[in-house]
Amino acid sequence: EVQLVETGGGLVQPGNSLKLSCATSGFTFSTAWMNWIRQTPGKRLEWLAQIEDKSNNYFISYLESVKGRFTISRDDSKSSVYLQMNNLKEEDTAIYYCGVTIAYWGQGTLVTVSS
Amino acid sequence: DIVMTQSPFSLAVSEGEMVTINCKSSQSLLSSGNQKNYLAWYQQKPGQSPKLLIYYASTRQSGVPDRFIGSGSGTDFTLTISDVQAEDLADYYCLQHYSSYTFGAGTKLELK
Repeated sequence: EVQLVETGGGLVQPGNSLKLSCATSGFTFSTAWMNWIRQTPGKRLEWLAQIEDKSNNYFISYLESVKGRFTISRDDSKSSVYLQMNNLKEEDTAIYYCGVTIAYWGQGTLVTVSS
Repeated sequence: DIVMTQSPFSLAVSEGEMVTINCKSSQSLLSSGNQKNYLAWYQQKPGQSPKLLIYYASTRQSGVPDRFIGSGSGTDFTLTISDVQAEDLADYYCLQHYSSYTFGAGTKLELK
């Protein structure tokens, strides 16, 4: 059974940083393309970042509006993917999901950016 | 960037009815290489993450009931739910993954 578990969310002040983690199991992580997606309080879904597998040189792509602030990474030895978020803004408040390709998503972790 | 226009915003139905949800993309999602449309449909129930229902516009994900039917090609796509059940009340989203990823705004399916 495919499982993805996001952790690391919480309340953070504007301008601060947060690192999200996603631990996975139930599929061959090393060949999977991994994504981060978020859902705003208004329920809008927004894809944020993707990291491809080793055979594609771990190619990374980002939503333009988070480029330079968010960094996706992976550790194949731990079957985990990460999202480092810097200089957080109130509009980054959302539930953050990790996903494997378009098929499976975790349950999400809530990030609230507020002073 | 590809823009996805999803309609309607909400839909009130009775059990047993048929409903259709539409998604229009600002450019074609049909790959000339494999003739597949890179369009997916998701269902999200309260408190849960989105669940993949349909991919390549019309292929049902394993375990999805056959009352969920995806259709369309190019720029116009439809999700049809025939014989709506109470368990189908949820939010539905389309996703294009032809060029990067863009979601539709969602459709809320409610009981009449």
